[in-house]
Amino acid sequence: AQKITQTQPGMFVQEKEAVTLDCTYDTSDPSYGLFWYKQPSSGEMIFLIYQGSYDQQNATEGRYSLNFQKARKSANLVISASQLGDSAMYFCAMREMDSSYKLIFGSGTRLLVRP
Amino acid sequence: DAMVIQNPRYQVTQFGKPVTLSCSQTLNHNVMYWYQQKSSQAPKLLFHYYDKDFNNEADTPDNFQSRRPNTSFCFLDIRSPGLGDAAMYLCATKGFRTEAFFGQGTRLTVV
Repeated sequence: AQKITQTQPGMFVQEKEAVTLDCTYDTSDPSYGLFWYKQPSSGEMIFLIYQGSYDQQNATEGRYSLNFQKARKSANLVISASQLGDSAMYFCAMREMDSSYKLIFGSGTRLLVRP
Repeated sequence: DAMVIQNPRYQVTQFGKPVTLSCSQTLNHNVMYWYQQKSSQAPKLLFHYYDKDFNNEADTPDNFQSRRPNTSFCFLDIRSPGLGDAAMYLCATKGFRTEAFFGQGTRLTVV
């Protein structure tokens, strides 16, 4: 069975510094997708970044990058130059590669950016 | 422009009184999902549609049902809400790439 693990319930980071949010996963399927979402206090789930299991390069989207280590089954999110608006809950998720596009979520990490 | 719209944003219902949450999408995608997210927890998949094929997760309570009258609209019906059903309900479809694209959610309170 597929599983996503986020071991950091909460993290602090100083404004303008970089922070890494950890995510490990478990699957027996060689083809899968990994996602990171941001959920501010308003509740909406905002898509940040995607990494496919066959992608050769780590994904990047602006200040977000995904440190994908396939052998270790980890997909850590790196946020560079943290901003106060980055304070939110962050979820790592994995998608089954069948036609259903179902996402399995980790338990989340609450990030607080200090001024 | 919003591509997944959920109404209402906030819903208060009485214990045991049926309630319906609605979702519409402008992406015209054949996949739609309903997730339940309780406070400080990860979203949990309740139902998903692929075209007209409807799938409920094995542990989705019988109290929850869903309807999808057409590609654009999807409804979540809670027949007899209990206090434990208070949660954020998130609707999603497939985004421009491969991600799930979520609406803003409906926060349900049961009194």
